[in-house]
Amino acid sequence: GQNIDQPTEMTATEGAIVQINCTYQTSGFNGLFWYQQHAGEAPTFLSYNVLDGLEEKGRFSSFLSRSKGYSYLLLKELQMKDSASYLCAVRDRWRGYQKVTFGIGTKLQVIP
Amino acid sequence: DAGVIQSPRHEVTEMGQEVTLRCKPISGHDYLFWYRQTMMRGLELLIYFNNNVPIDDSGMPEDRFSAKMPNASFSTLKIQPSEPRDSAVYFCASSFQGRTGELFFGEGSRLTVL
Repeated sequence: GQNIDQPTEMTATEGAIVQINCTYQTSGFNGLFWYQQHAGEAPTFLSYNVLDGLEEKGRFSSFLSRSKGYSYLLLKELQMKDSASYLCAVRDRWRGYQKVTFGIGTKLQVIP
Repeated sequence: DAGVIQSPRHEVTEMGQEVTLRCKPISGHDYLFWYRQTMMRGLELLIYFNNNVPIDDSGMPEDRFSAKMPNASFSTLKIQPSEPRDSAVYFCASSFQGRTGELFFGEGSRLTVL
């Protein structure tokens, strides 16, 4: 099975940079996702990492280290609309099938 | 192109009643996932299907829960009988096993069992 850990809450200031960490333990790692979820809405896809390193997409970047079972999501130039929960999800390969399990999510509050 | 469609969006029922949640995945997607989300436990994977076949239902909490996918465009999650602790938001998501295989979520079904 999977064990995915991420902080439950974070607060950051508008215009600043925030890093949300995620650690995981899994037996058939086949990729890591980050999702954003605003209150009362469905999760939406932000990023995907399967190889070590940094993936950059505008103000958002995601990093992966498979040997350490570690990922982070970096949000730059924070805006008030970035206040949301950020979910780390791990995809496992099991008997040729793909299973996706989510962490509990990090609730980010952006303050003026 | 329509996204994942779930119904109903909201359901309020009394303990002991049967609840059926429905999902239409994105056309061409080969995986379908059912999740339950609560404040305490986050997004829990209940069951997932590949090409309409249930692969892993180890997340289904009890025998009161069942899920079916009779064809590629329709899936149901049934709770019978329902209990107050089943109150949660139930999400359906679909994906295609391509390069990234990201999940696309429906809007969710908010279930309240009184």
